[in-house]
Parts: sequence; C-alpha cells; structure tokens
Amino acid sequence: DGGITQSPKYLFRKEGQNVTLSCEQNLNHDAMYWYRQDPGQGLRLIYYSQIVNDFQKGDIAEGYSVSREKKESFPLTVTSAQKNPTAFYLCASSSVDGYTFGSGTRLTVV
Amino acid sequence: GDSVTQMEGPVTLSEEAFLTINCTYTATGYPSLFWYVQYPGEGLQLLLKATKADDKGSNKGFEATYRKETTSFHLEKGSVQVSDSAVYFCALSHKMIKAAGNKLTFGGGTRVLVKP
Repeated sequence: DGGITQSPKYLFRKEGQNVTLSCEQNLNHDAMYWYRQDPGQGLRLIYYSQIVNDFQKGDIAEGYSVSREKKESFPLTVTSAQKNPTAFYLCASSSVDGYTFGSGTRLTVV
Repeated sequence: GDSVTQMEGPVTLSEEAFLTINCTYTATGYPSLFWYVQYPGEGLQLLLKATKADDKGSNKGFEATYRKETTSFHLEKGSVQVSDSAVYFCALSHKMIKAAGNKLTFGGGTRVLVKP
C-alpha cells in the first residue's frame, strides 16, 4: 500500500544537539511538506518542496533545515538554533488528488 | 494572507448528540476547503472536502457545505459516537496547479470528546 512513513515515532534530544526526522513516501507525489503541531494549536508550515532539489521556507522555518535529494524522501533537521523544538512534527505529500499525512514524530528536548 | 478560524474546544457531548463545529476562512479567490480528523497520537486523515461554492462534502455521517457568501464551512454530524472523539481541523488550499500541489492553511483545531 502506498503511504508516508515517518520515523522515529518518538525522539528525545538533548539541548544543543541537532536531530533529523525522516519522511519517506511511495506515492510518487511531487510535493512534500513539514508541519509543526503544538498542544492546542493548529499546524504551522515549516518547509515545503514542490520538486526534487528545490524547497521553500514556510511560516516558521527558523531553526530548521531540509533537503530533497530524492523524490521519495524529505528529511527535516531540527538544529540547535530552534529555541523551542518540543512538538509533534507531521510530514505530508500531495498531488492534484489531495494530501496524505504521515503518522508523525513526537520530539522532546530533555 | 489566507487564514482559517474555527471554534475553540474542547467540545464535550453525550453519545447520539448533534455536533457542530464552526469554521470560517479568509482567502483570495475560490479555495478548496477541507476537514481533517486526528485521533490521539496519529497523523491527520481527510474527513471530507469541497472544491467550489455550494458543494457539500460528506463522509461517515459528517457533512459540511461550502458557503461563499458567509466564507464558512461548518462541520456537522447528527448523532455522534464515542469513536468520534478526536481533534478536528478545518483547512483551505488553493487549487492544485499541475502536480506540484499547494500548501494547506489550517485552523487551530477543535477537540471533541464524546461521553457514553
């Protein structure tokens, strides 16, 4: 079955460390997205990519970086510059038919 | 820019009660409108959508009608079940161009708790 796989499901990071969240899709979608979800808040767009080797900043890109070397993969790195990284991170992809979301990664800074 | 506003929760109701979650939007042109549902610890699942004015999206007993005149897309269900307990998000997107897609703009989410 086609879908989006995010890993790991839970991730713990020490302050000052970079950490990378994985997102892989086998839907053959061109566009991929990273959203951040905080308790009681909606989803805010971090980065998105409409094609391989190209990506754009979303609304809250500071402290994050991405790459899009392959169509199937869109990893997100949370850097030490991100002041408050504890959150639920959702990856998504889309085609003209709509969006598909992964099951998310919960990142906690310890 | 685009924005979506939905009623704050939590909304607590009894099984078989009527559910309404209000959603209004601000956007240029004629966006597509969506309702997504998120169960605890999971990602988002598309519940229903509408792509033009007066369209009614429906799924699993939920309905929402695209009202251009009031810029609204309220979600309703006539008789809720305990299994409907979740967080519901209203969202909009402008029309897809080719296969590139467009980013979704979300409301803040409404938590719904249905008690037996």
